[in-house]
Amino acid sequence: DGGITQSPKYLFRKEGQNVTLSCEQNLNHDAMYWYRQDPGQGLRLIYYSQIVNDFQKGDIAEGYSVSREKKESFPLTVTSAQKNPTAFYLCASSEAGGITEAFFGQGTRLTVV
Amino acid sequence: GNSVTQMEGPVTLSEEAFLTINCTYTATGYPSLFWYVQYPGEGLQLLLKATKADDKGSNKGFEATYRKETTSFHLEKGSVQVSDSAVYFCALSMGRRALTFGSGTRLQVQP
Repeated sequence: DGGITQSPKYLFRKEGQNVTLSCEQNLNHDAMYWYRQDPGQGLRLIYYSQIVNDFQKGDIAEGYSVSREKKESFPLTVTSAQKNPTAFYLCASSEAGGITEAFFGQGTRLTVV
Repeated sequence: GNSVTQMEGPVTLSEEAFLTINCTYTATGYPSLFWYVQYPGEGLQLLLKATKADDKGSNKGFEATYRKETTSFHLEKGSVQVSDSAVYFCALSMGRRALTFGSGTRLQVQP
């Protein structure tokens, strides 16, 4: 089945640690996105990539980093510089961005302990 | 910049009641508009979309019409079920940019 796979579903991080969230898609989509969702709030864009080896900052990129070395993969690293990382993280993909709809993964819930 | 405004929730309805969730947008140009639904602990699923003015998107009994004159894309359903309980997000897309989402509206349907 085609889709987007995020792993792990739950992740715990100690203060000062970097963690990497995985996002893989087999939909052959060019564009991929990372969003952050806080309780009772909407989605805020962290980073997006329209093509391999290229990505752009979204609205809340500080404290995060990404790479896009392969079309199907777009991992997100939450660095120690992110002061409030506890949130639900959603990865999405779409065909070349824009009019076509985005398809979402099941999300990763990150908790700082 | 582009933005989406949704009505505050939660919206609490009895089963078989009529549902309206308001959504208005601000954009330079003519965006595509979407409604997504999120069930607890899950990602978002596309519910319906409209890509130009006066288009009506529909799916699973839900409908929304793209109204350029009022910059709105209100979600409606004639008779809600308990299984419709979820969070609903309105979103817009312009060109090659990422989706811009509203803050979401939680719907609770009571039996």
